[in-house]
Amino acid sequence: AQSVTQLGSHVSVSEGALVLLRCNYSSSVPPYLFWYVQYPNQGLQLLLKYTSAATLVKGINGFEAEFKKSETSFHLTKPSAHMSDAAEYFCAVSENTAGNKLTFGGGTRVLVKP
Amino acid sequence: ETGVTQSPTHLIKTRGQQVTLRCSSQSGHNTVSWYQQALGQGPQFIFQYYREEENGRGNFPPRFSGLQFPNYSSELNVNALELDDSALYLCASRRDSPPQETQYFGPGTRLLVL
Repeated sequence: AQSVTQLGSHVSVSEGALVLLRCNYSSSVPPYLFWYVQYPNQGLQLLLKYTSAATLVKGINGFEAEFKKSETSFHLTKPSAHMSDAAEYFCAVSENTAGNKLTFGGGTRVLVKP
Repeated sequence: ETGVTQSPTHLIKTRGQQVTLRCSSQSGHNTVSWYQQALGQGPQFIFQYYREEENGRGNFPPRFSGLQFPNYSSELNVNALELDDSALYLCASRRDSPPQETQYFGPGTRLLVL
C-alpha cells in the first residue's frame, strides 16, 4: 500500500520568500512521486514528477523537488514566491511513471502576502 | 488548457437520486481515471478505464460505476446518492504509450447532495 503525508495544511509566505512544502511518502515498491497544483475552481496541473532518473527534479513555474529515499521525503521548493503561486498543492504517489491510480496527500494551501 | 472537459460544472441532487457526470478527453486518450475530492481534502481514486474496460478501482462501493466510449468520452454514474457524495469529481486522461505520457485533469464537476 502507498500513502502520502503533507505536513502543514496551510502555509503563508511573503512575496519573494522561499516556498517550502513538505511531503513524506510510504510505499512498499519504488515510488513514483508527483506534485500537482490546483488553482481555485480548476482541475489539477502537474508541476513535476520523480521517476527515478534524477533525485532533483525541476518543474514548471520555477518549482523543484528533491527525492530523499533515506528520509522518504519529496519536498517541494521555490526560491522566490510570486503572488500567482497562491493555490493548493498536492503531493501524490503512484506505482508507475504515468501517474495512474494516484494516492494523494491532504494538500497544502499556500497564501502569498505582498 | 488541458483538452479535457467535464459537464456539468455544477450539479445539485437530493439523497437517493442517481447522477451521471461526463468527461470528454483528447483524441487518442484511451485511459481515463475518476477521482473524488471532498471539500478540504486531497482527491481519492475511484476507478480507471482502459479501452472501455475497468482496470482498477479504489475503495468505493459498487454504486459508483463508469463507462468509457470509443469516441474518448466517459461517464461516472453514482446511484443512491448519499450526503457524503458531495464533492468535486475530477476525470483525468492520457494515452497508454509512451509510458511516460502525462495525464491531464479536467476542471471537475462539483456535486452537492441535499
